[in-house]
Amino acid sequence: SAVISQKPSRDICQRGTSLTIQCQVDSQVTMMFWYRQQPGQSLTLIATANQGSEATYESGFVIDKFPISRPNLTFSTLTVSNMSPEDSSIYLCSVGGQGIGNTIYFGEGSWLTVV
Amino acid sequence: AQKVTQAQTEISVVEKEDVTLDCVYETRDTTYYLFWYKQPPSGELVFLIRRNSFDEQNEISGRYSWNFQKSTSSFNFTITASQVVDSAVYFCALSEAANYGQNFVFGPGTRLSVLP
Repeated sequence: SAVISQKPSRDICQRGTSLTIQCQVDSQVTMMFWYRQQPGQSLTLIATANQGSEATYESGFVIDKFPISRPNLTFSTLTVSNMSPEDSSIYLCSVGGQGIGNTIYFGEGSWLTVV
Repeated sequence: AQKVTQAQTEISVVEKEDVTLDCVYETRDTTYYLFWYKQPPSGELVFLIRRNSFDEQNEISGRYSWNFQKSTSSFNFTITASQVVDSAVYFCALSEAANYGQNFVFGPGTRLSVLP
């Protein structure tokens, strides 16, 4: 298994500001992903965080709004830029790979409320 | 295209009752993986089980059991003798073998409330 830590766990943000969420894993993993879960909804994949290169974004998500970094195999950040109330969601980091049994594990999530 | 359907939006049971959460999936791939996750009110997603498409054996883990039937494209989850701590949203998910992890598709979730 993998232990995934996300920071911050919760935050209240002002409209127009940006916030960076960190994801730290206790072991090297092949795959890291970022998901968004809007209130009362299921999870939607934002992007795949690629080590040492630009993230791969899903339809409807763009780098300018959700810049992602992944400097190594255990760490990634997601920034939510120029936030609006519609960005109020839980943002979850997930990881996968052979080293952790090929299962996809999730972090505790970061609850963002934009006011 | 992949799709996961969880027809039960919300279920309420009284403690000690058994409850089954339904999951029906669609995929064109012959090799794929099915998952169940639990999301308690605190928000984290807790991994419960992963099953690959070649393994149709049912699985039991304590009070949890899973029934995988390829013939009906279903992967149902049963909680026996439910407890209040089982109250959560449960998600069924599917990942095809190609681009494993990147093409993860979640169902809409089933909110289970276990009443004392």
